[in-house]
Amino acid sequence: DQQVKQNSPSLSVQEGRISILNCDYTNSMFDYFLWYKKYPAEGPTFLISISSIKDKNEDGRFTVFLNKSAKHLSLHIVPSQPGDSAVYFCAATSGTYKYIFGTGTRLKVLA
Amino acid sequence: EAGVAQSPRYKIIEKRQSVAFWCNPISGHATLYWYQQILGQGPKLLIQFQNNGVVDDSQLPKDRFSAERLKGVDSTLKIQPAKLEDSAVYLCASSLVPGRDTQYFGPGTRLTVL
Repeated sequence: DQQVKQNSPSLSVQEGRISILNCDYTNSMFDYFLWYKKYPAEGPTFLISISSIKDKNEDGRFTVFLNKSAKHLSLHIVPSQPGDSAVYFCAATSGTYKYIFGTGTRLKVLA
Repeated sequence: EAGVAQSPRYKIIEKRQSVAFWCNPISGHATLYWYQQILGQGPKLLIQFQNNGVVDDSQLPKDRFSAERLKGVDSTLKIQPAKLEDSAVYLCASSLVPGRDTQYFGPGTRLTVL
């Protein structure tokens, strides 16, 4: 039972353009969402989060949007840079405090 | 501030052998997590400790996996005996408090079972 889904395994974007990574969830009890970035041979690093009381959170080039009615969140990276090439995981949690991770999207930013 | 440390970084064993992984969390972090990440999948929580007590081990295969955090700091995860399907990256993470506090991950241990 995959409660958090990232349906795009990979994405290629030109440097300077916008990258949009998507994530869908099924459990309506989730109320906090996070994005992590992972480089090869390293552990995931926290990128940005959003609470269900908000629909947008921004941090520099990174913005996360949450659509609760659609159970959908997205991560926007503007402008995309070659150093952003990595695997991005979305994660969701609720009162159980357990993070449920998606399967990841591999982003490649082309110079 | 030092990050989460894990060792070894890589391990290759034969099936039915045993293996142990070590994790040292960020200083002061009371909550420690062990995740299993199989190739092509996201990290899956195996066990969560709050200080030296287990909070959640619902997805830990207890017939072969065990974990401990005796003094509420370092932790070890053991597999005995290993199976082919245990080949994965084992990630340790820690957070200051449980719940929605950010989890910080170590570099992981890549286990290959032949």
